[in-house]
Amino acid sequence: AQSVSQHNHHVILSEAASLELGCNYSYGGTVNLFWYVQYPGQHLQLLLKYFSGDPLVKGIKGFEAEFIKSKFSFNLRKPSVQWSDTAEYFCAVNPYNQGGKLIFGQGTELSVKP
Amino acid sequence: DGGITQSPKYLFRKEGQNVTLSCEQNLNHDAMYWYRQDPGQGLRLIYYSQIVNDFQKGDIAEGYSVSREKKESFPLTVTSAQKNPTAFYLCASLGQGGNIQYFGAGTRLSVL
Repeated sequence: AQSVSQHNHHVILSEAASLELGCNYSYGGTVNLFWYVQYPGQHLQLLLKYFSGDPLVKGIKGFEAEFIKSKFSFNLRKPSVQWSDTAEYFCAVNPYNQGGKLIFGQGTELSVKP
Repeated sequence: DGGITQSPKYLFRKEGQNVTLSCEQNLNHDAMYWYRQDPGQGLRLIYYSQIVNDFQKGDIAEGYSVSREKKESFPLTVTSAQKNPTAFYLCASLGQGGNIQYFGAGTRLSVL
């Protein structure tokens, strides 16, 4: 079965620390990859996406992610987190030609201490 | 404002009752989706519709039903057969020209 696995359930960091959230998926075909973020009390919103081309993609608010096809991974990174990055982060995979369906990971809750 | 509107924001269900969650979009998107969000489980797909008058089951469709009579609307009914309905329900639509889904603010359903 197709699945997405996020390695960390809850991450706690101090401001200015570096962040890396892991995401692995199980699907052998072509995929589109996403990271969504859910700030407290707000809509789920797109952080960044990968469809094709350069495997290092940049998103909003200084986030970036790297697609490593051989490892089926799409890890999210930020060099220096801020208190305002406190949120829940979801990795999602859209297998190609499956009607836009998204398969989500379990989510990682990030708490940034000021 | 263009977007996806879900209502109500909070909903309570009694035993044996069916309840309907509303999802309306004015983005002119063809495809719409319903997800259920539970703590520690991420979002799971309930139903989706790629075009008016057509819809498909997702991974956890049991106990739910949908209709798609208009492009703008994709209501979800949580039936009495759904034994564990307490969750946060999110509706999304798929933007043209890409595979980016846009989400509504969600409905939180609780059982009385």
